[in-house]
Amino acid sequence: GENVGLHLPTLSVQEGDNSIINCAYSNSASDYFIWYKQESGKGPQFIIDIRSNMDKRQGQRVTVLLNKTVKHLSLQIAATQPGDSAVYFCAENGDSNYQLIWGAGTKLIIKP
Amino acid sequence: DADVTQTPRNRITKTGKRIMLECSQTKGHDRMYWYRQDPGLGLRLIYYSFDVKDINKGEISDGYSVSRQAQAKFSLSLESAIPNQTALYFCATSLSGRAQETQYFGPGTRLLVL
Repeated sequence: GENVGLHLPTLSVQEGDNSIINCAYSNSASDYFIWYKQESGKGPQFIIDIRSNMDKRQGQRVTVLLNKTVKHLSLQIAATQPGDSAVYFCAENGDSNYQLIWGAGTKLIIKP
Repeated sequence: DADVTQTPRNRITKTGKRIMLECSQTKGHDRMYWYRQDPGLGLRLIYYSFDVKDINKGEISDGYSVSRQAQAKFSLSLESAIPNQTALYFCATSLSGRAQETQYFGPGTRLLVL
């Protein structure tokens, strides 16, 4: 079945280090992938997206990498800050143009 | 003021009760969504609406109903609440209905069904 999963439910990173959050997907039909950040007590907020015709896309301090061969997606956060503490979700569009399939989320903890 | 608001923010109810969760948006978006979030399961789509006259079932619509009263308002009802509907509920909006469109989420409603 369709599955968007994460390798680690919790990731602890030293402040200032780079963070890498991983995501596996299983639907080969997916051609759009997106990362959301959910801070405590708030709804998810868009971070960055990538289409299947790209391998890499960069934003402000964030980079998303897509490896279609192994169906793997990652979110890299440079110079992690306390404000990066949140749960990060990946999502894919699967066979649908209108619905997203969401992963379970990875909680990022920043150590001082 | 927040673009997407949800009321109430927290609700405790008993099994069998009917409850309504409300969502309002000031973004002027036509598309609105209701999700539930459970620990370890991410977000699951309950219902979505492309406009006032267009309502669609999502992945887990059983036990829920919705009403799109206006472009800006989309409410979710639990006709007869049961304990496994205890979850965090989110409303979201988007400019278009395509999956590639950014969705804007409300702050969530935490529901506990006893």
